[in-house]
Amino acid sequence: QPQLQESGPGLVKPSETLSLTCSVSGGSISSSEYYWGWIRQPPGKGLEWIGNIFHSGSAHYNTSLKSRVTISVDTSKNQFSLNLRSVTAADTAVYHCARLLRATDVFDVWGHGTMVTVSS
Amino acid sequence: QSALTQPASVSGSPGQSVTISCTGTSIDVGNYDLVSWYQQHPGKAPKLIIYEVTKRPSGISDRFSGSKSGNTASLTISGLQAEDEADYFCCSYALSPTSIYVFGTGTRVTVL
Repeated sequence: QPQLQESGPGLVKPSETLSLTCSVSGGSISSSEYYWGWIRQPPGKGLEWIGNIFHSGSAHYNTSLKSRVTISVDTSKNQFSLNLRSVTAADTAVYHCARLLRATDVFDVWGHGTMVTVSS
Repeated sequence: QSALTQPASVSGSPGQSVTISCTGTSIDVGNYDLVSWYQQHPGKAPKLIIYEVTKRPSGISDRFSGSKSGNTASLTISGLQAEDEADYFCCSYALSPTSIYVFGTGTRVTVL
C-alpha cells in the first residue's frame, strides 16, 4: 500500500503563498491509473476539493480557488506540490494530499494531513 | 457547489446498527453512482471504506455497507464495535462548473 506524506510550513502570513509538497512512497506517481489531489478541511467545517494533477502535468482545479492555485508534479522525486497564493485567514485548514483512482473517481489513499494556519 | 449534507452525529450501542445519510442534489449524488465513504480516526489519514455506492475495498469488513436512493446515499454500520467510533464522510463526483468532487459535512459516530 502506498503512503503519502505532506510537508511544508505550518504558519503562513496573510497575502503570502502557501506551499506544500506531497511525497509518494510505495508506488510511482507516473502510473496512468491515478490522479494526485489536494483536499482541505477548515476547522469545524467539511472537506473541500482543491484540485488534481496527472503525471503529465495536466491539472483540474476547484474554480472557486482556480485563480490562486497551482498544482505541479515532479516525477523524478515522486512528489507533487500545492501553491496557494494571496492567502487569508479563510485558508487556514488541514491540507491532505490523496491519490485518485481514475477508473472509479475515488480517493483511495490519503496522507494524514498537515495543519496550516494563516496569521501574522 | 454546496457540501453534501450529513448528520453531525449518530450513536449506537455495541452490536447495534447505525445509518449515516448523505444528501446531495441531482448534479452529484443523484446523477452518478460515484459515491464513496471514508472513515477517519483522530490524527489518522482518512480510510476508504465504500466506493461506487456499494462496493467495499479489499480488507474492509462486510459490516460496512452502502446504498443510494435518489439524491441520498447512506452508509450502514452493522454490529457496531468500539473501533468504529470515528468520523465518517461521503464524497460524490459532481456535474458542477465549480468542483467535480464534493464532500459531505461529516458525521461523528459514537459507540455508547
